[in-house]
Amino acid sequence: DQQVKQNSPSLSVQEGRISILNCDYTNSMFDYFLWYKKYPAEGPTFLISISSIKDKNEDGRFTVFLNKSAKHLSLHIVPSQPGDSAVYFCAASAGYGGSQGNLIFGKGTKLSVKP
Amino acid sequence: DGGITQSPKYLFRKEGQNVTLSCEQNLNHDAMYWYRQDPGQGLRLIYYSQIVNDFQKGDIAEGYSVSREKKESFPLTVTSAQKNPTAFYLCASSIFFGGNTEAFFGQGTRLTVV
Repeated sequence: DQQVKQNSPSLSVQEGRISILNCDYTNSMFDYFLWYKKYPAEGPTFLISISSIKDKNEDGRFTVFLNKSAKHLSLHIVPSQPGDSAVYFCAASAGYGGSQGNLIFGKGTKLSVKP
Repeated sequence: DGGITQSPKYLFRKEGQNVTLSCEQNLNHDAMYWYRQDPGQGLRLIYYSQIVNDFQKGDIAEGYSVSREKKESFPLTVTSAQKNPTAFYLCASSIFFGGNTEAFFGQGTRLTVV
């Protein structure tokens, strides 16, 4: 049973526009959420994170929004650039004292940014 | 340069053979992890280690074994009991297990059974 779900396998966006990647989770014990970016045949690189005590975290072009009541988070990339084309993974953990201190990953969303 | 080093990048194994994937980190992280990625799938946890001389099974540990004799090293052995070993293997580490901390990944090892 998937605890972290990314329901869109792919997303195509025009350069300069906004990319919105979505993620849903089922485990109410999750209190830390992360986004990773991954190129083919490489390891994922950490992008941005958010703690459950916040509803928004921003880092340059990247903003993560968390809606705890809906168990939903999203990653906004503005403006999108061709170099953003990659697979984006959402991940979650149960944090301090949680039985799931390791990261649980979604299946990823492949973002294509077209010039 | 601090980081996680996985070797080799590509590995070929004959059916019935055991093979060991190397993972070394110089980040002084306590926790280390092994994940497996298959096409269209997320990263699935094989084993993790919270601290030296400790390790725990993840979601798909069958057919794999690990050791954690040194803080810096967390090798993964893919045994002949693993029914479908062809995959992309990723090693990661975090400063400690649990807590609000990100994991850092190596570049991965592509294992192919021939």
